[in-house]
Amino acid sequence: QVQLQQSGPRLVKPSQTLSLSCAISGDSVSRNSAGWNWVRQSPSRGLEWLGRTYYNSKWYNEYAESVKSRITINPDTSKNQFTLQLKSLTPDDSAVYYCARGGGPLTWGYGMDVWGQGTTVSVSS
Amino acid sequence: DIVMTQSPLSLPVTPGEPASISCRSSQSLLHSNGHNFLDWYLQKPGQSPQLLIYLGSNRAPGVPDRFSGSGSGRDFTLKISRVEAEDVGVYYCMQSLQTPHTFGPGTKVDIK
Repeated sequence: QVQLQQSGPRLVKPSQTLSLSCAISGDSVSRNSAGWNWVRQSPSRGLEWLGRTYYNSKWYNEYAESVKSRITINPDTSKNQFTLQLKSLTPDDSAVYYCARGGGPLTWGYGMDVWGQGTTVSVSS
Repeated sequence: DIVMTQSPLSLPVTPGEPASISCRSSQSLLHSNGHNFLDWYLQKPGQSPQLLIYLGSNRAPGVPDRFSGSGSGRDFTLKISRVEAEDVGVYYCMQSLQTPHTFGPGTKVDIK
């Protein structure tokens, strides 16, 4: 049974960087039929896909334009996890952040079938 | 970005009765491989979203067969043949044809 376990701070100050981790059990971050996504949810924005990383002979990243200048998603093969960094935070970045497994190069379109438990992040001084 | 809309936004349902949610995209979600890149998710109260349907009409493993997805191009429908009390929550459609993947605003389903 695949599980995703999120960790990271819940309170971050404006202008600082948010760092979240998503530890994978029962699957591999390097499997080339999976993509590893970050999604956030807020009352003002609803569900918002932020980006993903996946492996297909080499590592690829794709990011939403809305956060592209501030976001980095990295795989960590040594810990079998992937991470989210979002810099220059503002209160508008306050949201519940989710990691999720989705389709990969061999399974595009297969949906995000495993989700983390969610991390409620507040950006406030 | 592809814009997703849903209707209705609120749907009171009676257990045992059918229910239907519509989703429309601003662009066709039909890929050249013949598949529609449209998912349906259910977010139950206090939980993470869960995948119900992928590629427009394929039920995810473990999803009861009372859930079905249909449609092609820009118009899609999620149907529940007989609503059960455990089906309450917010239903979202999401397109994965292009990045950024985009979600609909959600349809809140509750019991009358």
